[in-house]
Amino acid sequence: NAGVTQTPKFRVLKTGQSMTLLCAQDMNHEYMYWYRQDPGMGLRLIHYSVGEGTTAKGEVPDGYNVSRLKKQNFLLGLESAAPSQTSVYFCASSYEGYRSSYNEQFFGPGTRLTVL
Amino acid sequence: AQRVTQPEKLLSVFKGAPVELKCNYSYSGSPELFWYVQYSRQRLQLLLRHISRESIKGFTADLNKGETSFHLKKPFAQEEDSAMYYCALTDNTDKLIFGTGTRLQVFP
Repeated sequence: NAGVTQTPKFRVLKTGQSMTLLCAQDMNHEYMYWYRQDPGMGLRLIHYSVGEGTTAKGEVPDGYNVSRLKKQNFLLGLESAAPSQTSVYFCASSYEGYRSSYNEQFFGPGTRLTVL
Repeated sequence: AQRVTQPEKLLSVFKGAPVELKCNYSYSGSPELFWYVQYSRQRLQLLLRHISRESIKGFTADLNKGETSFHLKKPFAQEEDSAMYYCALTDNTDKLIFGTGTRLQVFP
């Protein structure tokens, strides 16, 4: 049981390049989330999904797109990377959502992205 | 808008001293509050939630609706408590809103 895994662990991009971050979970969780973590700003929600085939915007969605074609995977895409997107990206998943006893979020190890 | 405030970026104490990590929130409804912790080289993980009203690793947190606070407390800090602590809130949606975090350093 690997829990939540993220690929890649590190990546350096040039401005304007595109890339996709993969998040996978093997816990049969319905809910999945993408956050970015920046110094002094905590974790901010980028996009999230409440089930296969669904996505929704979080607090800082601009410049990112997501897809949840399979229940176990949640992809985060950067179409044209900018230096402001340099950050550590965390994926998380939970069995249920709001007001549920099973809404604990389980986090991946993070992806460190640098955009030059 | 909902907001979680952790006023201290860094809190340093000696082993055996009491610890209180402050968390204040702004939300007009009835929130659900959490404390998440990230130990060095480990993943972010849930420490405790207010609805459970339990003590985890000696930590407790009481939701004070009058003061809109959810401070994390431990009577006697241990070196292994050194970590980054995040207070978080969920409102009537599926989103979790995090504070900026407090780094706790416990010196021997």
